Amino acid sequence: EVQLVESGGGFVQPGGSLRLSCEASGLTFSNYWMSWLRQVPGKGLEWVANIKQDGSEKYYLDSVKGRFTISRDNAKNSLHLQMTSLRVEDTAVYYCATDIRVFDSWGQGALVTVSS
Amino acid sequence: EIVLTQSPGTLSLSPGDRATLSCRASQSVRDNYLAWYQQKPGQAPRLLIYGASIRATGIPDRFSGSGSGTDFTLIISRLEPEDFAVYYCQQYGTSPRMYTFGQGAKLEIK
Repeated sequence: EVQLVESGGGFVQPGGSLRLSCEASGLTFSNYWMSWLRQVPGKGLEWVANIKQDGSEKYYLDSVKGRFTISRDNAKNSLHLQMTSLRVEDTAVYYCATDIRVFDSWGQGALVTVSS
Repeated sequence: EIVLTQSPGTLSLSPGDRATLSCRASQSVRDNYLAWYQQKPGQAPRLLIYGASIRATGIPDRFSGSGSGTDFTLIISRLEPEDFAVYYCQQYGTSPRMYTFGQGAKLEIK
């Protein structure tokens, strides 16, 4: 059974930074593109970023480009999202998911709250 | 960017009813690369349908998807109590590998 477990969420002031992690098990992690998605509580889903199996391709939502960096460590079956210059509108639950162009396995989510 | 618009925003039905949810794209979705997800409160989304009409593993056959081009439909033939949730469509036909979702449609018990 595939398990994805996010960590690193929390409270941060505008302009601050936070690093999310996602630990994967039950799959050959290095075979998968991986994505981060987010959801403002009570609102819809938004894809944020993804990364190819070997890290050679990365794509970002326009509104996070230049502020967020996705990375992975295949030796540790882990995915990361470094978030800098955080804005109030980045407040959301952040999910990691396997990306086969659709998202067939999801983590439980990590809440990031950006507020002064 | 392809914008997906779902309708209705909220659908109120009873168990046993048939539910029809629509997803309209602002431009044609390449190769019908359109997926549907179900999300219940406090849970991550679950993949239901991909390729517009292919059920994901373990999805009951009361869920069906159809459509092409810019108009897509999710039908739940006979609603079970556990089907009341929010449903999202997602397109994945653009290059580079970036995705957009519809705003969601809530299926509630009447």
